Amino acid sequence: QSALTQPASVSGSPGQSVTISCTGTSSDVGGYNYVSWYQQHPGKAPKLMIYDVTNRPSGVSNRFSGSKSGNTASLTISGLQAEDEGVYHCSSYTSSSSWVFGGGTRLTVL
Amino acid sequence: EVHLVESGGGLVQPGGSLRLSCAASGFTFSNYAMSWVRQAPGKGLEWVSAISGSGGSTFYADCVKGRFTMSRDNSKNTLYLEMNRLRAEDTAVYYCAKHVGEGSGFDPWGQGTLVTVSS
Repeated sequence: QSALTQPASVSGSPGQSVTISCTGTSSDVGGYNYVSWYQQHPGKAPKLMIYDVTNRPSGVSNRFSGSKSGNTASLTISGLQAEDEGVYHCSSYTSSSSWVFGGGTRLTVL
Repeated sequence: EVHLVESGGGLVQPGGSLRLSCAASGFTFSNYAMSWVRQAPGKGLEWVSAISGSGGSTFYADCVKGRFTMSRDNSKNTLYLEMNRLRAEDTAVYYCAKHVGEGSGFDPWGQGTLVTVSS
Protein backbone atom coordinates (compact mmCIF):
# COMPACT_ATOMS: atom_id res chain seq x y z
CA GLN A 1 0.00 0.00 0.00
CA SER A 2 1.57 3.31 -1.08
CA ALA A 3 1.52 6.27 1.26
CA LEU A 4 -0.98 9.04 0.65
CA THR A 5 0.45 12.19 -0.94
CA GLN A 6 0.62 15.39 1.10
CA PRO A 7 2.55 18.62 0.45
CA ALA A 8 5.74 18.75 2.50
CA SER A 9 4.95 22.17 3.89
CA VAL A 10 2.39 24.96 3.95
CA SER A 11 2.40 28.31 5.66
CA GLY A 12 0.10 31.16 6.50
CA SER A 13 -0.13 34.31 8.58
CA PRO A 14 -2.19 34.56 11.76
CA GLY A 15 -5.86 34.94 10.95
CA GLN A 16 -5.55 33.49 7.45
CA SER A 17 -6.83 30.12 6.24
CA VAL A 18 -4.73 27.26 4.91
CA THR A 19 -5.72 24.03 3.23
CA ILE A 20 -3.70 20.81 3.26
CA SER A 21 -4.42 18.21 0.61
CA CYS A 22 -4.15 14.42 0.87
CA THR A 23 -4.28 12.42 -2.35
CA GLY A 24 -4.80 8.69 -2.56
CA THR A 25 -6.59 6.28 -4.85
CA SER A 26 -10.01 4.72 -5.31
CA SER A 27 -8.79 1.90 -3.03
CA ASP A 28 -8.41 4.20 -0.06
CA VAL A 29 -9.40 7.89 0.07
CA GLY A 30 -11.81 7.67 -2.87
CA GLY A 31 -13.39 4.42 -1.79
CA TYR A 32 -14.28 5.09 1.83
CA ASN A 33 -15.45 7.96 4.01
CA TYR A 34 -12.80 6.98 6.56
CA VAL A 35 -10.26 9.78 6.19
CA SER A 36 -8.81 11.19 9.38
CA TRP A 37 -6.39 14.00 10.19
CA TYR A 38 -3.87 14.31 13.03
CA GLN A 39 -1.90 17.19 14.49
CA GLN A 40 1.53 16.44 15.93
CA HIS A 41 3.78 18.75 17.89
CA PRO A 42 7.51 17.98 18.33
CA GLY A 43 8.12 15.08 20.68
CA LYS A 44 4.39 14.51 21.23
CA ALA A 45 1.91 11.87 20.18
CA PRO A 46 -0.45 12.66 17.31
CA LYS A 47 -3.84 14.17 18.18
CA LEU A 48 -7.00 13.39 16.20
CA MET A 49 -8.46 16.53 14.61
CA ILE A 50 -10.92 15.14 12.02
CA TYR A 51 -12.37 11.67 11.46
CA ASP A 52 -14.74 10.18 8.89
CA VAL A 53 -13.76 12.99 6.48
CA THR A 54 -15.70 15.77 8.18
CA ASN A 55 -16.29 14.97 11.85
CA ARG A 56 -14.56 16.85 14.66
CA PRO A 57 -13.93 15.11 17.98
CA SER A 58 -15.19 16.82 21.08
CA GLY A 59 -12.79 19.57 22.14
CA VAL A 60 -11.33 20.28 18.71
CA SER A 61 -11.83 23.85 17.54
CA ASN A 62 -14.40 24.47 14.80
CA ARG A 63 -11.62 26.31 12.96
CA PHE A 64 -10.64 22.85 11.70
CA SER A 65 -12.75 21.32 8.93
CA GLY A 66 -12.40 18.42 6.53
CA SER A 67 -13.71 17.59 3.08
CA LYS A 68 -13.21 15.14 0.25
CA SER A 69 -13.57 15.17 -3.52
CA GLY A 70 -12.80 12.02 -5.44
CA ASN A 71 -9.44 10.63 -4.37
CA THR A 72 -8.34 13.81 -2.58
CA ALA A 73 -9.20 14.83 0.96
CA SER A 74 -8.49 18.24 2.43
CA LEU A 75 -8.04 19.79 5.85
CA THR A 76 -8.78 23.49 6.17
CA ILE A 77 -7.67 25.53 9.14
CA SER A 78 -9.28 28.96 9.37
CA GLY A 79 -8.26 31.87 11.57
CA LEU A 80 -4.70 30.55 11.90
CA GLN A 81 -3.17 30.80 15.34
CA ALA A 82 0.42 30.31 16.48
CA GLU A 83 -0.58 27.14 18.35
CA ASP A 84 -1.69 25.53 15.08
CA GLU A 85 1.93 25.19 14.02
CA GLY A 86 3.04 21.58 13.76
CA VAL A 87 2.91 18.57 11.46
CA TYR A 88 -0.40 17.34 10.07
CA HIS A 89 -0.89 13.76 8.96
CA CYS A 90 -3.79 12.32 6.97
CA SER A 91 -4.87 8.69 7.05
CA SER A 92 -7.38 6.50 5.26
CA TYR A 93 -8.82 3.03 5.61
CA THR A 94 -8.06 0.86 2.59
CA SER A 95 -9.58 -1.97 0.59
CA SER A 96 -6.89 -4.28 2.01
CA SER A 97 -8.38 -3.96 5.52
CA SER A 98 -5.46 -1.77 6.50
CA TRP A 99 -4.77 1.89 7.10
CA VAL A 100 -2.40 4.15 5.21
CA PHE A 101 -0.92 7.51 6.23
CA GLY A 102 0.40 10.44 4.26
CA GLY A 103 3.97 11.65 4.62
CA GLY A 104 2.93 14.59 6.80
CA THR A 105 2.72 18.33 6.14
CA ARG A 106 4.59 20.87 8.23
CA LEU A 107 2.47 23.94 8.92
CA THR A 108 4.33 27.15 9.67
CA VAL A 109 2.49 30.16 11.07
CA LEU A 110 4.41 33.18 9.83
CA GLU B 1 -10.47 9.88 30.90
CA VAL B 2 -9.11 7.46 28.33
CA HIS B 3 -5.45 6.66 28.93
CA LEU B 4 -3.00 4.47 27.01
CA VAL B 5 0.50 3.70 28.28
CA GLU B 6 3.03 1.78 26.21
CA SER B 7 6.03 -0.07 27.59
CA GLY B 8 8.63 -2.62 26.53
CA GLY B 9 10.71 -0.63 24.07
CA GLY B 10 14.49 -0.67 24.07
CA LEU B 11 17.63 -1.57 22.16
CA VAL B 12 17.70 -4.94 20.40
CA GLN B 13 20.07 -6.50 17.91
CA PRO B 14 19.02 -7.25 14.33
CA GLY B 15 17.24 -10.59 14.25
CA GLY B 16 16.18 -10.23 17.86
CA SER B 17 12.78 -10.08 19.51
CA LEU B 18 10.85 -7.67 21.71
CA ARG B 19 7.36 -7.53 23.19
CA LEU B 20 5.54 -4.23 23.58
CA SER B 21 2.61 -3.72 25.93
CA CYS B 22 -0.08 -1.06 26.06
CA ALA B 23 -2.10 -0.64 29.26
CA ALA B 24 -5.53 0.89 28.70
CA SER B 25 -7.87 2.61 31.14
CA GLY B 26 -10.92 4.87 31.15
CA PHE B 27 -13.08 2.95 28.68
CA THR B 28 -14.57 -0.49 28.08
CA PHE B 29 -11.48 -1.99 26.46
CA SER B 30 -13.15 -5.01 24.88
CA ASN B 31 -15.60 -2.80 22.94
CA TYR B 32 -12.93 -1.20 20.79
CA ALA B 33 -10.52 -2.23 18.09
CA MET B 34 -6.95 -1.09 18.68
CA SER B 35 -3.94 -0.42 16.47
CA TRP B 36 -0.18 -0.05 16.66
CA VAL B 37 1.29 2.80 14.62
CA ARG B 38 5.00 3.56 14.37
CA GLN B 39 7.10 6.56 13.46
CA ALA B 40 10.73 6.22 12.41
CA PRO B 41 13.01 9.08 13.51
CA GLY B 42 12.21 12.19 11.49
CA LYS B 43 9.65 10.34 9.35
CA GLY B 44 5.89 10.10 8.97
CA LEU B 45 3.44 7.75 10.62
CA GLU B 46 3.11 4.13 9.50
CA TRP B 47 0.24 1.84 10.50
CA VAL B 48 1.56 -1.51 11.73
CA SER B 49 -1.32 -3.69 12.90
CA ALA B 50 -4.87 -3.73 14.23
CA ILE B 51 -6.96 -6.08 16.34
CA SER B 52 -10.72 -6.33 16.83
CA GLY B 53 -12.31 -5.77 20.21
CA SER B 54 -12.71 -9.48 20.85
CA GLY B 55 -9.21 -10.25 19.60
CA GLY B 56 -10.61 -12.64 17.04
CA SER B 57 -9.38 -10.70 14.03
CA THR B 58 -5.97 -9.23 13.40
CA PHE B 59 -4.58 -7.24 10.49
CA TYR B 60 -0.99 -6.42 9.57
CA ALA B 61 0.98 -4.17 7.26
CA ASP B 62 2.83 -6.16 4.61
CA CYS B 63 6.20 -5.02 6.00
CA VAL B 64 5.61 -6.80 9.33
CA LYS B 65 3.39 -9.70 8.30
CA GLY B 66 4.87 -12.99 9.47
CA ARG B 67 7.24 -11.27 11.91
CA PHE B 68 4.92 -9.33 14.25
CA THR B 69 1.97 -10.70 16.23
CA MET B 70 -0.65 -8.47 17.83
CA SER B 71 -2.80 -9.75 20.68
CA ARG B 72 -4.87 -8.48 23.59
CA ASP B 73 -5.94 -9.61 27.05
CA ASN B 74 -9.32 -8.04 27.72
CA SER B 75 -9.27 -9.25 31.32
CA LYS B 76 -6.16 -7.14 31.88
CA ASN B 77 -7.09 -4.24 29.56
CA THR B 78 -3.76 -4.73 27.85
CA LEU B 79 -2.61 -4.82 24.24
CA TYR B 80 0.54 -6.55 23.04
CA LEU B 81 2.84 -6.52 20.03
CA GLU B 82 5.27 -9.42 19.76
CA MET B 83 8.05 -8.45 17.37
CA ASN B 84 10.39 -11.10 15.96
CA ARG B 85 13.20 -11.11 13.38
CA LEU B 86 13.64 -7.39 13.93
CA ARG B 87 15.38 -5.30 11.29
CA ALA B 88 17.09 -1.91 11.38
CA GLU B 89 14.12 -0.45 9.49
CA ASP B 90 11.83 -1.39 12.39
CA THR B 91 13.53 1.30 14.48
CA ALA B 92 10.77 3.72 15.47
CA VAL B 93 8.57 5.06 18.23
CA TYR B 94 5.65 2.66 18.54
CA TYR B 95 2.28 4.09 19.54
CA CYS B 96 -0.84 2.19 20.52
CA ALA B 97 -4.11 3.88 19.62
CA LYS B 98 -7.81 3.27 20.18
CA HIS B 99 -10.09 3.17 17.16
CA VAL B 100 -12.91 5.71 17.09
CA GLY B 101 -15.12 3.30 15.19
CA GLU B 102 -15.10 0.87 12.29
CA GLY B 103 -12.62 2.18 9.74
CA SER B 104 -12.48 5.52 11.49
CA GLY B 105 -9.60 7.40 13.04
CA PHE B 106 -7.41 6.69 16.04
CA ASP B 107 -8.08 8.48 19.32
CA PRO B 108 -6.39 8.77 21.66
CA TRP B 109 -2.78 7.69 21.25
CA GLY B 110 -0.35 6.61 23.93
CA GLN B 111 2.87 8.50 24.55
CA GLY B 112 4.87 5.95 22.53
CA THR B 113 7.78 3.64 23.27
CA LEU B 114 11.06 3.71 21.33
CA VAL B 115 12.37 0.57 19.70
CA THR B 116 15.94 0.71 18.39
CA VAL B 117 17.27 -2.15 16.29
CA SER B 118 21.03 -1.91 16.07
CA SER B 119 24.14 -3.96 16.62
